[in-house]
Amino acid sequence: QLQLQESGSGLVKPSQTLSLTCAVSGGSVKSAGYSWNWIRQPPGKGLEWIVYISHTGSTSYNPSLRSRISISLDRSKNQFSLQLSSVTAADTAVYYCARGAAIGTSDVFDFWGQGTMVTVSS
Amino acid sequence: QSVLTQPPSASGTPGQRVTISCSGSSSNIETNTVDWYQRVPGTAPKLLIYNDNQRPSGVPNRFSGSKSGTSASLAISGLQSEDEADYYCAARDASLNGPVFGGGTKLTVL
Repeated sequence: QLQLQESGSGLVKPSQTLSLTCAVSGGSVKSAGYSWNWIRQPPGKGLEWIVYISHTGSTSYNPSLRSRISISLDRSKNQFSLQLSSVTAADTAVYYCARGAAIGTSDVFDFWGQGTMVTVSS
Repeated sequence: QSVLTQPPSASGTPGQRVTISCSGSSSNIETNTVDWYQRVPGTAPKLLIYNDNQRPSGVPNRFSGSKSGTSASLAISGLQSEDEADYYCAARDASLNGPVFGGGTKLTVL
């Protein structure tokens, strides 16, 4: 069974960079046909897809966040990472990592991490 | 404000049938398939329905999905206490070129 586990800074100061890593076990980030995603949920709001990276390293970004996002894949450690720069209070959220897969005509998130709370505050 | 609109809450008693709606637009629900996710407090979200009305292996047939035009629905029949969770709809959006989600519906089993 695939498992994903987020880790990283829980408290980030405004204007600084948020850094998170998602460790993957029970499967490989090198497997073809999957994407590795970051999704977040601000308090009291809905889910928001942020970015994905594929096993080849190709990426796709939410246009509203694109200029501040960096995503990378570490095949040797079987993990992927997110960096979000110039954070503000609006970036306070629970951040999830998730695997994307194509099932039928749907692109779904079939495995998720438990999520990690990141607070932006001085 | 989420791109897809869901009621913030829903409730029912054990054994009842409950439906949760999800409203979108021509750039998402009308032209792409809808998926539903369940998040039980303290656990990771779980894929519940994909391709509008398909259940992944292991999801009970008490859960069903439907879609018409720019709206979709999740129905839960024979409500059970373990169904108490947050439910989210999702669909690909042509404007975003990525997935969008609803704001979530908190289901309470009375």
